[in-house]
Amino acid sequence: QSVLTQPPSASGTPGQRVTIPCSGSSSNIGSNTVNWYQQLPGTAPKLLIYSNNQRPSGVPDRFSGSKSGTSASLAISGLQSEDEADYYCAAWDDSLNGYVFGTGTKVTVL
Amino acid sequence: QVQLVQSGAEVKKPGASVKVSCKASGYTFTSYDINWVRQATGEGLEWMGWMNPNSGNTGYAQKFQGRVTMTRNTSISTAYMELSSLRSEDTAVYYCTRGRYEQNAYYMDVWGKGTTVTVSS
Repeated sequence: QSVLTQPPSASGTPGQRVTIPCSGSSSNIGSNTVNWYQQLPGTAPKLLIYSNNQRPSGVPDRFSGSKSGTSASLAISGLQSEDEADYYCAAWDDSLNGYVFGTGTKVTVL
Repeated sequence: QVQLVQSGAEVKKPGASVKVSCKASGYTFTSYDINWVRQATGEGLEWMGWMNPNSGNTGYAQKFQGRVTMTRNTSISTAYMELSSLRSEDTAVYYCTRGRYEQNAYYMDVWGKGTTVTVSS
């Protein structure tokens, strides 16, 4: 089972701001950087945020990431219909000596 | 452009093995890790392990230790993931990804389109 906890769902109307929390522990988020992946329906995941708050080229600045202690969060500002997707946080875990993903959050645009 | 092209869908019987390939192009294959991640239908992402294509060194998730083998052929820039003793719970889409380590950050920046593996009698 996943060691990073996310709420199963989040929603908002177009233009709103949505925040997705990701809770971990000292062996993962507490000691390593956090990444976020976006998975649109029927497609492979895509890197959205790396190293806590860095956006790869081509990712809109509506997406932002932050980290504090053993938690992280992804914010989507100015929500758009094309943002409907599953979002996963992830980090290296020193105790497991492996990469761990969050449980995933499905974002719905109302 | 940078891409990972995976082999086609597989159907296997319980107890059999499956070997999925992942061909890299658009970058130097030996300069970045290859990870394997799987996703059962309607479920989340599950990391299986990593391989350094340059050295051949590997690291596997504890859950798959003894059942998974990751290898590569550098002459054709291709990585392989073999999973043995298949059971129905191994039915999933298997993704290969490129892993990068930069300034104390590890992340997967390129993903293949996935290979569907179905285990059924």
